[in-house]
Formats: sequence, structure tokens, C-alpha cells
Amino acid sequence: AQSVTQPDIHITVSEGASLELRCNYSYGATPYLFWYVQSPGQGLQLLLKYFSGDTLVQGIKGFEAEFKRSQSSFNLRKPSVHWSDAAEYFCAVDPTGTNAGKSTFGDGTTLTVKP
Amino acid sequence: DGGITQSPKYLFRKEGQNVTLSCEQNLNHDAMYWYRQDPGQGLRLIYYSQIVNDFQKGDIAEGYSVSREKKESFPLTVTSAQKNPTAFYLCASSVTRANYGYTFGSGTRLTVV
Repeated sequence: AQSVTQPDIHITVSEGASLELRCNYSYGATPYLFWYVQSPGQGLQLLLKYFSGDTLVQGIKGFEAEFKRSQSSFNLRKPSVHWSDAAEYFCAVDPTGTNAGKSTFGDGTTLTVKP
Repeated sequence: DGGITQSPKYLFRKEGQNVTLSCEQNLNHDAMYWYRQDPGQGLRLIYYSQIVNDFQKGDIAEGYSVSREKKESFPLTVTSAQKNPTAFYLCASSVTRANYGYTFGSGTRLTVV
């Protein structure tokens, strides 16, 4: 079975600073990988996804993520954080093959943005 | 606009009651999912359906039931057998069984009173 670890429960950055949120996964092959964002009391919104090919993927809202097979990581980055980016971020892994379509989510990282 | 509608937004359940959470989508997605979210935890899969009239248990299906009689609808019933039902419930859908990323509803917060 697959699993996801987000090592940082809470991160605080200053507005305008760069951001990196960590995600490590465990799966026997290369899975599908996703990042979602959740505002308080709301559902999740898909930021970006990786299936195959180019290991650097671009998403919405200026986010990008890099897949590193050797490190089993899929870290989310943004060059300059805006106050509106404050939210909870979830990494998810979806297996391929017969178990495809059942995403496993990490416990989330809460981002606070200081003015 | 296409999307997923969950209702109600807030729901209160008395001990021993069954309650049903609604989830409707007009995205023409084949697959639908129910997740439970507790504070400080990620999402845990309750049930999922990848085709009409078929559904499978997820990791925490005990005390819950679902149906998928129409492609657009995937209601979740929280039964009295669910001992700790207070949580935030999220419905999601994806285009096909091969996941291209979920579209989520805005959630239902269920509280036991």
C-alpha cells in the first residue's frame, strides 16, 4: 500500500519570501502525485499533478513541484508567497494499475504568511 | 458552472440516528469518493464508486453506507453504528477510474449532539 509523509505540520513565511513544502511518498513504482490546497471550512482544490515525463510540473497560482524518484519526494515550491496563499496544503499519492483511483493523502502542512 | 454540490453544509445528529449526506456532481465524472477529515489529520477514504451501481469500501467504511444509483449522485449515510461521527466529510469526483486529480465539494460538517 502507498503512504505519504508531510514532515512539516506548520510553516510560517514572510510575504514575498520563497516557499518549499515537503512531501515524501512510499510506493513500489512511480505513482501519480498531487498537491491540493484547502482554505478553512472548504473543500480541497487541485494545484498540480505529476503523471510522467518532465519532473518539474507547473500548477495554478504560481506553484510548481519537482518529482525526485531517487528521494521519493514531490516538494511544492513558490518563488514569492502572497498573503492569500495562507491555507493548508495536502500532498496525495495515487497508485497506478489495478488500484488506480484511490488517493492517499498526507496529514497536511498549514502555511501561515507574515506581513 | 460544473462542480460538486454537497448538502447540507452543517448537520447535527442525535445519538442513535442515521443521517444522510448528499453529494451531486454535474461534471459527467465516472468516479466518486467520500473522505473523512479530522483536525490535524489527512483525509481518510470511506467509500468510493468508479461506476454506477458499484462501490467499494475504503479504509474506514465501518458505520457508513453508500449507494450509486445515478452517475450524478453518491449519497453517504452515517449510521448509528459509527461511534465517532463528528468530522468534516468531503465528497470528490474524478473523470475516470484512472485518477487525473479530484474535484472536491465544499464539505459537510457533521456534529453529534
